[in-house]
Amino acid sequence: QKEVEQNSGPLSVPEGAIASLNCTYSDRGSQSFFWYRQYSGKSPELIMFIYSNGDKEDGRFTAQLNKASQYVSLLIRDSQPSDSATYLCAVYGHGGYQKVTFGTGTKLQVIP
Amino acid sequence: DTGVSQNPRHKITKRGQNVTFRCDPISEHNRLYWYRQTLGQGPEFLTYFQNEAQLEKSRLLSDRFSAERPKGSFSTLEIQRTEQGDSAMYLCASSPPESPLHFGNGTRLTVT
Repeated sequence: QKEVEQNSGPLSVPEGAIASLNCTYSDRGSQSFFWYRQYSGKSPELIMFIYSNGDKEDGRFTAQLNKASQYVSLLIRDSQPSDSATYLCAVYGHGGYQKVTFGTGTKLQVIP
Repeated sequence: DTGVSQNPRHKITKRGQNVTFRCDPISEHNRLYWYRQTLGQGPEFLTYFQNEAQLEKSRLLSDRFSAERPKGSFSTLEIQRTEQGDSAMYLCASSPPESPLHFGNGTRLTVT
């Protein structure tokens, strides 16, 4: 089992729709979770982080965390063509293992 | 905050040569991470430092790879006897403890 799993996509949504991106993780003790956006040929940029169960909203983005199910998701409302990118889920290890593990990323395509 | 700086941006080398990359983190960040990323994959963890101490190194990393962070400031990643499979984007990131990672622009290595 991979430490962090994402559907590689591509996920295609029409402009204005809600895009839903999902991620599962294997380390039950993990406490910190991040979503990064990566445009082709560029480095990852942070868009959301979440530490507690429930929802966290920032503009058009909502991160959702369910530690019992070891599941974290990202919703993008009113999707724009500029949102077309690869979205990476990242998870901090717990205890003495503080490395940050990334999923393979989900490629999102927003169709105008 | 001048951001994470990586040099060089691009490196082309012949198989068997040694290469060294440099990363200058955000000055107040005591954690520094190295990742490798190939096309269509998420960043793969290589190693990380807290101050000058190297706390974890990926088991996937061969003995040809070594990293240092003297005095807890900048870091170098050296690859000895490069192979074509080493061709990738090498990403450096820094952070305070338990906080999101901030990435540099990466060094793209091509081994011919």
